[in-house]
Amino acid sequence: DAKTTQPNSMESNEEEPVHLPCNHSTISGTDYIHWYRQLPSQGPEYVIHGLTSNVNNRMASLAIAEDRKSSTLILHRATLRDAAVYYCILTGNAGGTSYGKLTFGQGTILTVHP
Amino acid sequence: DGGITQSPKYLFRKEGQNVTLSCEQNLNHDAMYWYRQDPGQGLRLIYYSQIVNDFQKGDIAEGYSVSREKKESFPLTVTSAQKNPTAFYLCASSGSGQGRETQYFGPGTRLLVL
Repeated sequence: DAKTTQPNSMESNEEEPVHLPCNHSTISGTDYIHWYRQLPSQGPEYVIHGLTSNVNNRMASLAIAEDRKSSTLILHRATLRDAAVYYCILTGNAGGTSYGKLTFGQGTILTVHP
Repeated sequence: DGGITQSPKYLFRKEGQNVTLSCEQNLNHDAMYWYRQDPGQGLRLIYYSQIVNDFQKGDIAEGYSVSREKKESFPLTVTSAQKNPTAFYLCASSGSGQGRETQYFGPGTRLLVL
């Protein structure tokens, strides 16, 4: 499985933008980049995903490098409710052993200060 | 509302006892998954099922068993053979088990050994 590398922790102040980086230098051409987040004592929650182009949704934006070897999750205005562990995960197409397995690393712990 | 429910929220197991964790979804998803999360760690896949009456072992299936008799239900049994069952257990589902699909997670069951 292709691996991702994220910083262990990051901090932000409320109302400020947050840029969470992810390196995935061994990404294959068919791998999607998914971001999930997990609030304390809850199940992970889908945030956003993309393949090649930058993506926006109501929660966040995803900026993907041109060579696809890295990506950045952008929270435009952090709130206290955004404090969570953020996971960057590569997901492949069906076939072989890729099925729907999500390989979770340790993620980035985001702390938001009031 | 559509979603995934897990019960109970907390479960206590005595030595040598089998316990069953419930997972139900009303999202009409074909694929369902069980993950285990230890403190400070990412999720690890125990079992997955892409269709009714079929399931496959994940990365850490030893000491666990599952069944998939109905599309909406995927119970997990933690057997006495699982020597270190204390963990947070998460159930998830996705449309068809394709690798790039978003997975939707339940709220989790925390299992503790007495």
